[in-house]
Amino acid sequence: KQEVTQIPAALSVPEGENLVLNCSFTDSAIYNLQWFRQDPGKGLTSLLLIQSSQREQTSGRLNASLDKSSGRSTLYIAASQPGDSATYLCAVRRGATNKLIFGTGTLLAVQP
Amino acid sequence: DVKVTQSSRYLVKRTGEKVFLECVQDMDHENMFWYRQDPGLGLRLIYFSYDVKMKEKGDIPEGYSVSREKKERFSLILESASTNQTSMYLCASSPPRQGVNEQYFGPGTRLTVT
Repeated sequence: KQEVTQIPAALSVPEGENLVLNCSFTDSAIYNLQWFRQDPGKGLTSLLLIQSSQREQTSGRLNASLDKSSGRSTLYIAASQPGDSATYLCAVRRGATNKLIFGTGTLLAVQP
Repeated sequence: DVKVTQSSRYLVKRTGEKVFLECVQDMDHENMFWYRQDPGLGLRLIYFSYDVKMKEKGDIPEGYSVSREKKERFSLILESASTNQTSMYLCASSPPRQGVNEQYFGPGTRLTVT
């Protein structure tokens, strides 16, 4: 059974710092991996999607990497800003189905 | 831009009531999903639908049913609401399983059952 873990559960950094969020999964047979952002009391906003054949994806200050063999993905945020404060979730797609399995998220606080 | 809307942001219902949560997407997506999100448990899939009138159980379907009469609309039904169904409910949609099939989420409905 696929399990997705995100460590740490919470992170507080000063503004301007570069940071890395981690996501690990137990079954390497994934179709793709998606990173989301969730603001308090709101829905999820998709940030990046990495196909299983890709190693990384970039969007602005965000870079996501995928290492299927080790069951890991990282989300790198460069030059963090207070507006980056949110919960970050990763989710893996189970093979040919459309179902996602979510991690429990990392709550990020960027201090001004 | 894909838009997924949910009928209510906040809803308060009494135990035993029948509750309807509505979700509408405007991108002609085949797939639609209902999740619930609880602290410490993350997002869990309740039901999903890959076409009109088609549905499949997710991980926690007990106490819920769904309806998809039109492609753009996917309804979650709590037949007899209970306090353990107090939660944040999130709807999502995505294109067919081929290709990227990124999931797009609505703003969520915070349901409280008293």
